Amino acid sequence: ETGVTQSPTHLIKTRGQQVTLRCSSQSGHNTVSWYQQALGQGPQFIFQYYREEENGRGNFPPRFSGLQFPNYSSELNVNALELDDSALYLCASSFGAGAAEAFFGQGTRLTVV
Amino acid sequence: GDSVTQMEGPVTLSEEAFLTINCTYTATGYPSLFWYVQYPGEGLQLLLKATKADDKGSNKGFEATYRKETTSFHLEKGSVQVSDSAVYFCALSPGTTSGTYKYIFGTGTRLKVLA
Repeated sequence: ETGVTQSPTHLIKTRGQQVTLRCSSQSGHNTVSWYQQALGQGPQFIFQYYREEENGRGNFPPRFSGLQFPNYSSELNVNALELDDSALYLCASSFGAGAAEAFFGQGTRLTVV
Repeated sequence: GDSVTQMEGPVTLSEEAFLTINCTYTATGYPSLFWYVQYPGEGLQLLLKATKADDKGSNKGFEATYRKETTSFHLEKGSVQVSDSAVYFCALSPGTTSGTYKYIFGTGTRLKVLA
């Protein structure tokens, strides 16, 4: 059984650019959630995808968007990057949108300069 | 809205000391409660959970009891080790009334255990 994997582990982007982060869910899981963790803070919910549809969104602007693919892997896209987007982005997978437990990946550290 | 409040860190203890990290929550309905741990440079690992009032979650010597009357879920360990040094996050999930099972996290408490 493979766990949740995210890529890349680190990247540096320039303000105004666009970025795509990727997540492979744990085997058998059909739900992926994305979180943003700023330095010294707890993770904040961005959105969730269940069976390829967005299934709930946190307080993030539309320039944060996502996709889920038929194999349940997922992408997080951020357009028009701002300095405040610098954070650790965490992906969590679970079985079912109402699952009692989600499993987190190691995260992608995004730095915007 | 729903929220989680944790005691501020850092918490510094000597090895074998008793640990308590306080966590209180505000939520409507019947949330599930969790403690996650984050080691340096890593993602989050589930430490323990409780899904209803009076449940006790436990794992690796850590325990927490879901207290609805005091809206608390304090983390305890009787004897900490240097390897327990990490950041601990209390979290709640409001339930599935909205169809979305998201976590609401506290700001985290850094624990440092000295040999």
